[in-house]
Amino acid sequence: EVQLVESGGGLVQPGGSLRLSCAASGFTLSTYWMSWVRQAPGKGLEWVANIKQDGSERYYVDSVKGRFTISRDNAKRSLFLQMDSLRAEDTAVYYCARGWYFEYWGQGTLVTVSS
Amino acid sequence: QSVLTQPPSASGTPGQRVTISCSGSSSNIGSDFVNWYQQLPGTAPKLLMYSNNQRPSGVPDRFSGSKSGTSASLAISGLQSEDEAEYYCAAWDDSLNVWVFGGGTKLTVL
Repeated sequence: EVQLVESGGGLVQPGGSLRLSCAASGFTLSTYWMSWVRQAPGKGLEWVANIKQDGSERYYVDSVKGRFTISRDNAKRSLFLQMDSLRAEDTAVYYCARGWYFEYWGQGTLVTVSS
Repeated sequence: QSVLTQPPSASGTPGQRVTISCSGSSSNIGSDFVNWYQQLPGTAPKLLMYSNNQRPSGVPDRFSGSKSGTSASLAISGLQSEDEAEYYCAAWDDSLNVWVFGGGTKLTVL
């Protein structure tokens, strides 16, 4: 069974940092593109970033470029999102999703940026 | 303001057929596949349709998708109460190199 479990969310002050993790099981992580998608409270879905199977290509939405870094450790079956210089508008549930088409999603982890 | 445009709401009675539209541009829908996601209240999104009209395993054939030019549609026939959810379209934008989503359509089963 495919499982994606996010962790690392929490309350952080503006300007602070958080590192999200996504533990993958039930499939071979190294064969899939992986993405982070977020959803602000009461709002729609917004794609944040994705990373190719071997990490050689990464893409980001403009609003997080230079502040967020997506990475992966296929051997440890994990996907990461390093979030720096956090802003209030980054407050959202962050989902990791498998594949180019986001075939599977985790349950999400809530990031709250507030003083 | 989302790059892809969806109606904010749609509704129908049980057994009816409803359609949800998704409008984009030549750099996203016009040049790439469209996917649809269903998000039931309080849960994570789920892939409902990929590559315009392909249903993942387990998705009922009451759901169908289509694309023409820079627009796409999701149709739900034989509407059921459990179809009440938020529906999102998405496509890769070739010029921006980003995935873009529609703003979502809240489907209400009356």
